[in-house]
Amino acid sequence: GENVEQHPSTLSVQEGDSAVIKCTYSDSASNYFPWYKQELGKRPQLIIDIRSNVGEKKDQRIAVTLNKTAKHFSLHITETQPEDSAVYFCAAAGANQAGTALIFGKGTTLSVSS
Amino acid sequence: DAGITQSPRHKVTETGTPVTLRCHQTENHRYMYWYRQDPGHGLRLIHYSYGVKDTDKGEVSDGYSVSRSKTEDFLLTLESATSSQTSVYFCAISDGRQNEKLFFGSGTQLSVL
Repeated sequence: GENVEQHPSTLSVQEGDSAVIKCTYSDSASNYFPWYKQELGKRPQLIIDIRSNVGEKKDQRIAVTLNKTAKHFSLHITETQPEDSAVYFCAAAGANQAGTALIFGKGTTLSVSS
Repeated sequence: DAGITQSPRHKVTETGTPVTLRCHQTENHRYMYWYRQDPGHGLRLIHYSYGVKDTDKGEVSDGYSVSRSKTEDFLLTLESATSSQTSVYFCAISDGRQNEKLFFGSGTQLSVL
């Protein structure tokens, strides 16, 4: 089945810096790659996603890039702010005949200090 | 937020007892999922459902069973709870293969003593 590796596990940046989180996946059939943000004590929420027919997607200060050949994708956050502090999870869709079941990476704890 | 409710929100139980967690949705979404979240392990898929009475195993299904007798309810049962099943359990829903966006419930904190 699908396996998703995520790095780094923790990331500390200064406010205004950029942050990059990287993930690799194992199943070449996976075609959907979302990123979720989880604030302390809250539920995970989708912040951005990308499909395999697209190489890059942006939404204001966040962007995701996908390299299908290398089977890796990355989250880029620019001009970080203290409210970006959270745990970020990447995921890949383990597509099968019954639909898609997301397999998540282990998460990255991002701390943005002012 | 999507209409998804988990119950109970917190539960403490003893080793060896059966436990059932409930996920209820009002969105009429086809797909429902159970994940567990543990420090250092992220979110791990336990079981999921792609329709009434249609379920499949996830990454960590041993010791868990599920049932879905109607669209809105997805039950997770720990047949004989163990301390290793102490975790936060999240239910999630999505509306189909063309829209895999997951909406998560608020989670259930389960402690097995």
